[in-house]
Amino acid sequence: GDSVTQMEGPVTLSEEAFLTINCTYTATGYPSLFWYVQYPGEGLQLLLKATKADDKGSNKGFEATYRKETTSFHLEKGSVQVSDSAVYFCALSDAGGTSYGKLTFGQGTILTVHP
Amino acid sequence: DAGVIQSPRHEVTEMGQEVTLRCKPISGHNSLFWYRQTMMRGLELLIYFNNNVPIDDSGMPEDRFSAKMPNASFSTLKIQPSEPRDSAVYFCASSFGAGTGHSPLHFGNGTRLTVT
Repeated sequence: GDSVTQMEGPVTLSEEAFLTINCTYTATGYPSLFWYVQYPGEGLQLLLKATKADDKGSNKGFEATYRKETTSFHLEKGSVQVSDSAVYFCALSDAGGTSYGKLTFGQGTILTVHP
Repeated sequence: DAGVIQSPRHEVTEMGQEVTLRCKPISGHNSLFWYRQTMMRGLELLIYFNNNVPIDDSGMPEDRFSAKMPNASFSTLKIQPSEPRDSAVYFCASSFGAGTGHSPLHFGNGTRLTVT
């Protein structure tokens, strides 16, 4: 079945540092890929997505590129801020016609950014 | 739009009691999902509906769990009887699922359930 593997956390960085959170996936067919972010006490929010190979999703300074050859979708940001502290989830959605948007999530990576 | 609305935000109950969690999806969305989040197991999909019909309930842990969606604007997740191991944050999410897999999920803020 489909699965998503994220780098183990937690990740602790200083403000303005470069961020990478690795994500690899296993899926049949051609899934859509997503990054969601969860702030304390809240539900998950979509951060960015990519729906086909070589697409780059971007939002709020975060980027991720859909790499079919390496089955990866790593999240990057050039300069993190304290407000980026949250839990980040990589996810995939089977592109099959019966998925109805069902997502398979990675285990989440806790990011803490210090001033 | 108010987003996905879940109630209650917090629920504390004793083992053996019935618990009912409620969800109002975003108007116009036709897919609804119930997830459970714990430190040990992360996010687990329990069940999802499309056009009010349950599509896949293979994630429901056991017969103590049941979910209904009587109409497009309301869903419930019931646990009867509850057990301490059911303690978790339960999220409801909705999307406009056209079957392409491209539609993002919109999550509620969750219900934190504690069973003592």
